[in-house]
Amino acid sequence: AIQMTQSPSSLSASVGDRVTITCRASQGIRNDLGWYQQKPGKAPKLLIYAASSLQSGVPSRFSGSGSGTDFTLTISSLQPEDFATYYCLQDYNYPRTFGQGTKLEI
Amino acid sequence: EVQLVESGGDLVQPGGSLRLSCAASGFTFRNYWMIWVRQAPGKGLEWVANIKPDGREEHYVDSVKGRFTISRDNAKNSLYLQMNSLRVEDTAVYYCVRDSGDRYDAFDIWGQGTMVTVSS
Repeated sequence: AIQMTQSPSSLSASVGDRVTITCRASQGIRNDLGWYQQKPGKAPKLLIYAASSLQSGVPSRFSGSGSGTDFTLTISSLQPEDFATYYCLQDYNYPRTFGQGTKLEI
Repeated sequence: EVQLVESGGDLVQPGGSLRLSCAASGFTFRNYWMIWVRQAPGKGLEWVANIKPDGREEHYVDSVKGRFTISRDNAKNSLYLQMNSLRVEDTAVYYCVRDSGDRYDAFDIWGQGTMVTVSS
C-alpha cells in the first residue's frame, strides 16, 4: 500500500498567518490526492480534490498544489474556524490511504 | 437535503459479527460509488472499503479482507458493511461516505458516524 506522510504532525499558528502542510507519497501518484479537514467530534470535510481543485463552497484561502510524490495544502490567511486536523488521501490505487493527519492549533 | 445516516454500531465481543447500515437521501444513490471510512478513538482516518454504483466491484483495505463485506441495495438507497470475526483493533467510528468524483475521488458527503466497540 502507498504510504502517505504528512508534516508537520502538529502546528501552532495565529489568526492571519499563512500556513503550509505537506504530504509526501511513498511512490508517484500523479495528482491523485485530496485534502480533508476534520474538527473535533465531527465528520471530515472535503477541501481539495485532484491535488489542486477547490471543492465547491470551500473558501478561496485554501489551495492545493503538487504532483508525483510531493503535495502541499496552503491556507493563505488563517481564520478562527480553520483550527482543525487536516488529512491528505491518495486515490491513485487501492487501498486508498490517508496521511496520519496534521493538527493545526492556535 | 443530501444526507447519509449510519446505524448498527454496538458493543460486540471479539470474534463476533455486526452489520452496519447507511441510509441515503436527497440524491440519486445508484449513481455514486460509496465508501466506508473508520476512525479509531483518538486516531486518524482509515479507508475501509468501497463499492461501485451497480454493486459489481468492491475494494478493501488488507486488514479487513475476508472478514468484512460491503454491499448496497439501490432500490432501498442503502449501503451496508457486514463485519465478521471482529477484532479489538476494529473498534472505531465508522463513516458512510459518498464519492462524487469522476476521474478523481471526492468524498463530499459524510454521515455522522456509528460507533463500533469490540471488547470482552
